[in-house]
Amino acid sequence: DGGITQSPKYLFRKEGQNVTLSCEQNLNHDAMYWYRQDPGQGLRLIYYSQIVNDFQKGDIAEGYSVSREKKESFPLTVTSAQKNPTAFYLCASSTKGFNQPQHFGDGTRLSIL
Amino acid sequence: GESVGLHLPTLSVQEGDNSIINCAYSNSASDYFIWYKQESGKGPQFIIDIRSNMDKRQGQRVTVLLNKTVKHLSLQIAATQPGDSAVYFCAENLKSSGSARQLTFGSGTQLTVLP
Repeated sequence: DGGITQSPKYLFRKEGQNVTLSCEQNLNHDAMYWYRQDPGQGLRLIYYSQIVNDFQKGDIAEGYSVSREKKESFPLTVTSAQKNPTAFYLCASSTKGFNQPQHFGDGTRLSIL
Repeated sequence: GESVGLHLPTLSVQEGDNSIINCAYSNSASDYFIWYKQESGKGPQFIIDIRSNMDKRQGQRVTVLLNKTVKHLSLQIAATQPGDSAVYFCAENLKSSGSARQLTFGSGTQLTVLP
């Protein structure tokens, strides 16, 4: 089945550690996105990518980094510079064309040890 | 109702009744709107979308209404079922760059269906 796969579902980070969240899609979508969701709140955009080897900062990019080496993959690294990383992280993708909705994976919950 | 940037926690309805979830958006230049449903521990699921050149769009048991004059969006769910219990988000498209769309999400409305 086509879809977006995020892994792991749960992740724990130690102080000063970088962790990488995986996002893979087999929908042949050009654009991919990373969002952060805090309890009782909406989604905030971290980074997005329109095409391989290109990505742009969203509203809350500080403390995060991404890469887009393949169309199918858009991993997110939460660096030690992100002082409040505990959140639910959601990856999404969308196809080209005007007014195409974003489709989401089932998220990774990151917690601090 | 929900507003992009404001918080409206809950809406409770009886099973079988119709539900109306509201959303106020802030940017009159927004040209595309989406409703998502999010169940606990899962990612948002696309429900229905609407372009700014439309006032109404219907799906299966759902209808979205757009009032651009007052910048208001609503989601109507007919014959609400227990499986409809979830958090519902509206999202507006503020700007588009190439193939990527930057959406702004509201804080969500928790719909609870009572037996």
